[in-house]
Amino acid sequence: QKEVEQNSGPLSVPEGAIASLNCTYSDRVSQSFFWYRQYSGKSPELIMSIYSNGDKEDGRFTAQLNKASQYVSLLIRDSQPSDSATYLCAVNQKSSTLGRLYFGRGTQLTVWP
Amino acid sequence: SAVISQKPSRDICQRGTSLTIQCQVDSQVTMMFWYRQQPGQSLTLIATANQGSEATYESGFVIDKFPISRPNLTFSTLTVSNMSPEDSSIYLCSVGGQGLNTQYFGPGTRLTVL
Repeated sequence: QKEVEQNSGPLSVPEGAIASLNCTYSDRVSQSFFWYRQYSGKSPELIMSIYSNGDKEDGRFTAQLNKASQYVSLLIRDSQPSDSATYLCAVNQKSSTLGRLYFGRGTQLTVWP
Repeated sequence: SAVISQKPSRDICQRGTSLTIQCQVDSQVTMMFWYRQQPGQSLTLIATANQGSEATYESGFVIDKFPISRPNLTFSTLTVSNMSPEDSSIYLCSVGGQGLNTQYFGPGTRLTVL
């Protein structure tokens, strides 16, 4: 059973703060990792992908991967109210051909002004 | 990436009827997935639909209730059969596979069963 665990939250941070979202996965052979953002009433949209250990930065977003600990995280710097959404962690076993993704339950983030 | 459209975007249906949801992609894709998302809940995979083969259903979902067609590499349908209020949910089409770096989601179909 492939499991992806996230803190359900809600996580509440003030505007301008760093929001830290965490995810652990059970399948050690997982190779591709993704963060999706889902606004209320909308479908999930991809915001970050990471494939190797370490950090990957894209604007205000940083994804961190530690395969030894089976842990992936998303940091949002200078959080804005528009970042308020549910963030889904997703894991895939195959690195070259994308098969099915396994999703966590999501962490609800609220950024208050 | 892939651009995905779904029809209908929403519907209100009577108990015992069936609804077919269409998913259209702007490019050929290997894999198509159908998810259900109930209010405030995460995604639940219903089935994986590959062109030219039978859909693969997840535990708790059966073909009689959720028949799926995948006639070509850009199109799929999901039918919700003999609906009950418990089927009220958002149904999402997603695509992935060779040539795509991840899964992309359609806008969803919001279904309400009275």
